[in-house]
Amino acid sequence: AQSVTQPDIHITVSEGASLELRCNYSYGATPYLFWYVQSPGQGLQLLLKYFSGDTLVQGIKGFEAEFKRSQSSFNLRKPSVHWSDAAEYFCAVGAPEGDSGYALNFGKGTSLLVTP
Amino acid sequence: DTAVSQTPKYLVTQMGNDKSIKCEQNLGHDTMYWYKQDSKKFLKIMFSYNNKELIINETVPNRFSPKSPDKAHLNLHINSLELGDSAVYFCASSQEGRLRETQYFGPGTRLLVL
Repeated sequence: AQSVTQPDIHITVSEGASLELRCNYSYGATPYLFWYVQSPGQGLQLLLKYFSGDTLVQGIKGFEAEFKRSQSSFNLRKPSVHWSDAAEYFCAVGAPEGDSGYALNFGKGTSLLVTP
Repeated sequence: DTAVSQTPKYLVTQMGNDKSIKCEQNLGHDTMYWYKQDSKKFLKIMFSYNNKELIINETVPNRFSPKSPDKAHLNLHINSLELGDSAVYFCASSQEGRLRETQYFGPGTRLLVL
């Protein structure tokens, strides 16, 4: 079964600094990969997703992620963080249809704190 | 216009009680989900319904029973509530239930069992 690990529980960055959130997955083939963001007291919102093709994926709010098969990683990046980016970030992995159904497996999340 | 709505937003109840959480989506999606987010923010799928038919039923106690009266609604009924049921429950929906699709989440229901 597929799984995902987010090694960093908390990350603190200064406003305007660059950001990279790590995500490592475990799956025999190329999985479907997602990044979701959860603002305080809110539900999850999709930032971006990767299925195949170009390994650099652009998302909403200025985020991007790069799929690296050799490292089994799908790290999320943003060149300049804004205070409003403070939130919980979840990486998720899913096996393509026919493997294990339609369920997404989420990582345990990375909490981002943005300081002035 | 709220795409996926849940009621109630907060639910505080005693152990042993039975409670329901309602979810509605106005996106015209065929598939709806229930997720549980524990105190450590770990998010896990509980159920998935496609056109009122149960698709995914993870290892969840029998005390949890989803009910889908129509494809726009997926309610979660919990019998004999236990302390460990305290969590945030999220409803979500997607067009056809395929992984490629974006899942749209509701704002969550914060359940506290005393």
